[in-house]
Amino acid sequence: KQEVTQIPAALSVPEGENLVLNCSFTDSAIYNLQWFRQDPGKGLTSLLLIQSSQREQTSGRLNASLDKSSGRSTLYIAASQPGDSATYLCAVRDTGNQFYFGTGTSLTVIP
Amino acid sequence: DTGVSQDPRHKITKRGQNVTFRCDPISEHNRLYWYRQTLGQGPEFLTYFQNEAQLEKSRLLSDRFSAERPKGSFSTLEIQRTEQGDSAMYLCASMYSGGLGELFFGEGSRLTVL
Repeated sequence: KQEVTQIPAALSVPEGENLVLNCSFTDSAIYNLQWFRQDPGKGLTSLLLIQSSQREQTSGRLNASLDKSSGRSTLYIAASQPGDSATYLCAVRDTGNQFYFGTGTSLTVIP
Repeated sequence: DTGVSQDPRHKITKRGQNVTFRCDPISEHNRLYWYRQTLGQGPEFLTYFQNEAQLEKSRLLSDRFSAERPKGSFSTLEIQRTEQGDSAMYLCASMYSGGLGELFFGEGSRLTVL
């Protein structure tokens, strides 16, 4: 069974800093990987989707990379802002129809 | 495109009562998932539908839980004889199986069992 791990569990940075969130998975046979943002008491908002054949995807200040062979993905956030404070989750879709989620990294950006 | 809609957003009930949650997926999304999430955890899979067919159900899911998706549009998740351990956020997500495979979530339905 696919296992997804996110490290660190919590991260606090000053505003303006660049940061990297990590996601690792145990089975490299994936269909895609998706990064989400979750605000307290809310649902998950899709940020970036990387197909298994891709190495990276970019959206604004966000860049996600995927190294399938090593079972790793990173989410890079440039020039962090207080509004980026949230929990970030990664989800791996297997070659079937199942998604496996990490427990998330709680990010706090200090003004 | 109005996004995935869930109702109610919050439900407080007494132990032993039945509760039902509704999910309206993005139109033309043929696949619909239900997840449960507790504090500090990632979403835990409950069940999913392809159109109106329920294709998979978590082995961890109690018989008190049942889900339907009549006509392949909206879906309902019912919990019978609720227990305090059922308190959680219930999340619905949808996707189009013929597309890129991007999953879209609703805002969730928070259940508190007293």
